Amino acid sequence: EAGVAQSPRYKIIEKRQSVAFWCNPISGHATLYWYQQILGQGPKLLIQFQNNGVVDDSQLPKDRFSAERLKGVDSTLKIQPAKLEDSAVYLCASSLDSDSSYEQYFGPGTRLTVT
Amino acid sequence: GDSVTQMEGPVTLSEEAFLTINCTYTATGYPSLFWYVQYPGEGLQLLLKATKADDKGSNKGFEATYRKETTSFHLEKGSVQVSDSAVYFCALSDYTGGGNKLTFGTGTQLKVEL
Repeated sequence: EAGVAQSPRYKIIEKRQSVAFWCNPISGHATLYWYQQILGQGPKLLIQFQNNGVVDDSQLPKDRFSAERLKGVDSTLKIQPAKLEDSAVYLCASSLDSDSSYEQYFGPGTRLTVT
Repeated sequence: GDSVTQMEGPVTLSEEAFLTINCTYTATGYPSLFWYVQYPGEGLQLLLKATKADDKGSNKGFEATYRKETTSFHLEKGSVQVSDSAVYFCALSDYTGGGNKLTFGTGTQLKVEL
């Protein structure tokens, strides 16, 4: 079974530029998550989708971050404009459904460096 | 809000030593508890989980028991190997409001030497 795919793996941009990350979850998984992991910290949830609807985006900085999950499959996370403090690893995860009994499977992440 | 506190690393052990990584949590409801592991160059993987008080999760020789009275979920292994070197994250999931987010601790790096 293929795992969660993310691209790109690495991205370096200057502040005030825009960037987009892509995630392809495990086939059949209804729930998709985007986490931000700053160096030395644990991952923090940015947004959770159930199919193509948003369940929780309470920690998403909506003035600069946006995310969508068209057709309930792939998802993109965008940052515009980027700030230095956005340097982090962005992790995508998926689970069969939203109950906590279902394991969340994580992708390899995209490491973003903002200079 | 929910939070997880785990011991700071790095923890350096000799092979075959006993491992304990402490984890305590704060949650408003009745969370499920998890340990995730991140090997060098790899993504986060679920190591073990427990969904209710007094449950014991176990996998690959690692164990953790959900202690509601002490709000703890300490990770233990009787004899570590060099291949166990990784970063270990304690996490909780409190299914409220329809969301199922994981709240993570800051991670503990384990280094096992020969």
